[in-house]
Amino acid sequence: AQKVTQAQTEISVVEKEDVTLDCVYETRDTTYYLFWYKQPPSGELVFLIRRNSFDEQNEISGRYSWNFQKSTSSFNFTITASQVVDSAVYFCALSEGNTGGFKTIFGAGTRLFVKA
Amino acid sequence: SQTIHQWPATLVQPVGSPLSLECTVEGTSNPNLYWYRQAAGRGLQLLFYSVGIGQISSEVPQNLSASRPQDRQFILSSKKLLLSDSGFYLCAWSFGLSGSVEQFFGPGTRLTVL
Repeated sequence: AQKVTQAQTEISVVEKEDVTLDCVYETRDTTYYLFWYKQPPSGELVFLIRRNSFDEQNEISGRYSWNFQKSTSSFNFTITASQVVDSAVYFCALSEGNTGGFKTIFGAGTRLFVKA
Repeated sequence: SQTIHQWPATLVQPVGSPLSLECTVEGTSNPNLYWYRQAAGRGLQLLFYSVGIGQISSEVPQNLSASRPQDRQFILSSKKLLLSDSGFYLCAWSFGLSGSVEQFFGPGTRLTVL
């Protein structure tokens, strides 16, 4: 069975600090997809990134970076030089290939507070 | 570009009343469509998904139902609401192509059952 664990319920940082959001996943499938979504106070989930199981290359997009490590079943998300606008709930999610991507399992989310 | 709409944005309903939430997608054809529920302070729970008109898969047994009368329209319904149905309901879509599995979410409907 697939599972996503985001052990950090809430994180509070001061603006300009770096922050890492942890995500650990479980799956028996060899083909799977990992995602990060951002949910600002407005409520709408915003897709940030998708990673395929066969692509362990880390990715950087502006102040955002993602570290995918199959050896530890982790897909961590780092925000560099955090800003107040980064305050949101962040969800890590997993979709197994054998489900065709339909059954996406979300972690419980990490609420990030960035204080000015 | 694609857009997804949900309405209403907020809804307050008495226990035992019916429910109808609507979701429509623009700018794409044959999307996969999804309904999720998010309880307060919790993650997302997949309720239904659909790969085509009239094709509905249910993930969680409950008093809710879904229908897809048109290619880009997805409706969530209930005949009699329960207190436990309160929550934030999100509709999402993904491209109906293999290998493209990320989902794009609508603005959500906040439902309060009293």
